Amino acid sequence: DQQVKQNSPSLSVQEGRISILNCDYTNSMFDYFLWYKKYPAEGPTFLISISSIKDKNEDGRFTVFLNKSAKHLSLHIVPSQPGDSAVYFCAARRGHYSGGGADGLTFGKGTHLIIQP
Amino acid sequence: EPEVTQTPSHQVTQMGQEVILRCVPISNHLYFYWYRQILGQKVEFLVSFYNNEISEKSEIFDDQFSVERPDGSNFTLKIRSTKLEDSAMYFCASKGQGRTDTQYFGPGTRLTVL
Repeated sequence: DQQVKQNSPSLSVQEGRISILNCDYTNSMFDYFLWYKKYPAEGPTFLISISSIKDKNEDGRFTVFLNKSAKHLSLHIVPSQPGDSAVYFCAARRGHYSGGGADGLTFGKGTHLIIQP
Repeated sequence: EPEVTQTPSHQVTQMGQEVILRCVPISNHLYFYWYRQILGQKVEFLVSFYNNEISEKSEIFDDQFSVERPDGSNFTLKIRSTKLEDSAMYFCASKGQGRTDTQYFGPGTRLTVL
């Protein structure tokens, strides 16, 4: 049951260029989306998030775009740097839960981003 | 910068044994979570914990699993009788008070069941 899909297992980008990582979701109840970066043998590190009431959120080199009608979000990294090489996870949270924010996140399978010098 | 810590980093156990994985969440956080990642697969939600009780659990979190916050700082995951398929990375996460506060993850404990 893949409610969050990252269809590209890997992506190779030249240093200095734009990296675009894509994520699709199927559950209309998701109201909050996050991107995490993960290095081997480490836990996921939070990068950027977006609420479903917005269509764009920017933080430095990272921008997340949300297209609710298409149930699609993307993470743009500009310019890409060698340290950006990692696995990137898209994650989503359901909004209907009444527990005040205790929802578990649903993760995609991740995209391995490789920045080439 | 405050961070979530987890011990041990690697735990090896025999099938059928009990294991306890430990986590120290970020100090002013109120929501606590356990996730796992089986090798090569995605990160999966196990359980969330708020106000000293389980808020939500996935179908993976069966009767073999339990969580506890024994004191003001630790958050533990116990697996009563480990199975081979419990081998995975287990991540603890914590979150502040707001609905849109971010979940911050620890470095993980690698559990190997032999």
